[in-house]
Parts: sequence; C-alpha cells; structure tokens
Amino acid sequence: DQQVKQNSPSLSVQEGRISILNCDYTNSMFDYFLWYKKYPAEGPTFLISISSIKDKNEDGRFTVFLNKSAKHLSLHIVPSQPGDSAVYFCAAIVNNQGGKLIFGQGTELSVKP
Amino acid sequence: NAGVMQNPRHLVRRRGQEARLRCSPMKGHSHVYWYRQLPEEGLKFMVYLQKENIIDESGMPKERFSAEFPKEGPSILRIQQVVRGDSAAYFCASSNGNEKLFFGSGTQLSVL
Repeated sequence: DQQVKQNSPSLSVQEGRISILNCDYTNSMFDYFLWYKKYPAEGPTFLISISSIKDKNEDGRFTVFLNKSAKHLSLHIVPSQPGDSAVYFCAAIVNNQGGKLIFGQGTELSVKP
Repeated sequence: NAGVMQNPRHLVRRRGQEARLRCSPMKGHSHVYWYRQLPEEGLKFMVYLQKENIIDESGMPKERFSAEFPKEGPSILRIQQVVRGDSAAYFCASSNGNEKLFFGSGTQLSVL
C-alpha cells in the first residue's frame, strides 16, 4: 500500500532549465509534506516543506506546490544546476504521528551541463 | 556542529549473527527515528523513540528487531539472527519534536 508515490524513477534536465519533480498521495489525513535530497552514500537532507494550509512555498531556487484536491505536489527547481543531481524523495506526515514520515520511492534527477 | 552520527558506516554479518547499529542524535534533540531503505525503494519508517521510551514501533518487524534509546548514550537498533533479507541501508534521524527530521549518513548492513 504505497501512500506516497513518485511515478518517475528518473528525470534528466539541461543545466539552466526547470526541473519539475512530481509526487502523488492517497491519504487525505496527510497535513505536512517535505522534500528531501539524497546523494549516494549519504543520508537524506531536508530541502523544503509545505503545510496543507498552503498551496505554495518558495525558498530560493526551490518551490513546492500543493494541490490538495488532486492530492498532488511538485517540486520546481529553477534554474537547475549540475550540483542538483541527486535522488529526491517526497515525504508526507500526519501531524499527530510524530516524525513518522511516509516516503515516496524517489526520483533520480540528472542535470546535464 | 555535529549532526546525526551513525556507526558503523558499513557492517557485514553472516546469517545468524547479531547486528548492532548505533545512532547519536543531533545536539539538543531528544527524538530519534529509525528508517530502513531496501534496494530500489524509498525509506520505510521502523520506530520512533524518545529518551528511554518507545513512542511508535509500528514499522518494526515483530521478531528479531529491537530498539532502545537509553538515558545516557546512543540509540541502538539491534537485529538478532540476521538473514539475507535484512541487508539494507539503515538510517537514523533526530528532531526536537517537530516534523523536520535530520538524518545520519546511514549504516549499510550486508548479510552474507
């Protein structure tokens, strides 16, 4: 029962262009969403988050959009840089369940120079 | 400026042996979480602990796995009588009680 789904295992983008990573969820009780970035042999690093009361959150080159009616969120990176190449995980949480994050399977982003 | 520290980074065990994975949370954090990542999959929640207490162990296998977070010292994830299917990357994370988790670099467990 995959409650958080990232249907694209990989994405390749040219440097300077926009990267759009997508995430779908099924549990309407999720009220907080996070994106983590992971390099090989390292732990996930927090990138950006959004509460379900918002539909957009922006931090520098990173913007997360939330569409609650569609149960869909996306991470936009613009402009993309080669250092952004990593695996990106979408995660969701029900607020009364502490740090029990439910992760998607990840999308491997490759930014070509 | 120490983050979440996990050791060892790599652990090799033969079937039937015990594996002990250690995690020291970030300074000031009293909430610890263990996650497991199998090959080609996302991270799966295992257990949530807060000093000396297990808060949520709904993701822990019912047998052979246990976790503790003593008053003094690191959190320990213990796997008894390991089997090949236990081979995975085990990540520890900590927080100060909010949703933002900080992860360690993980322990890669290989069972021969």
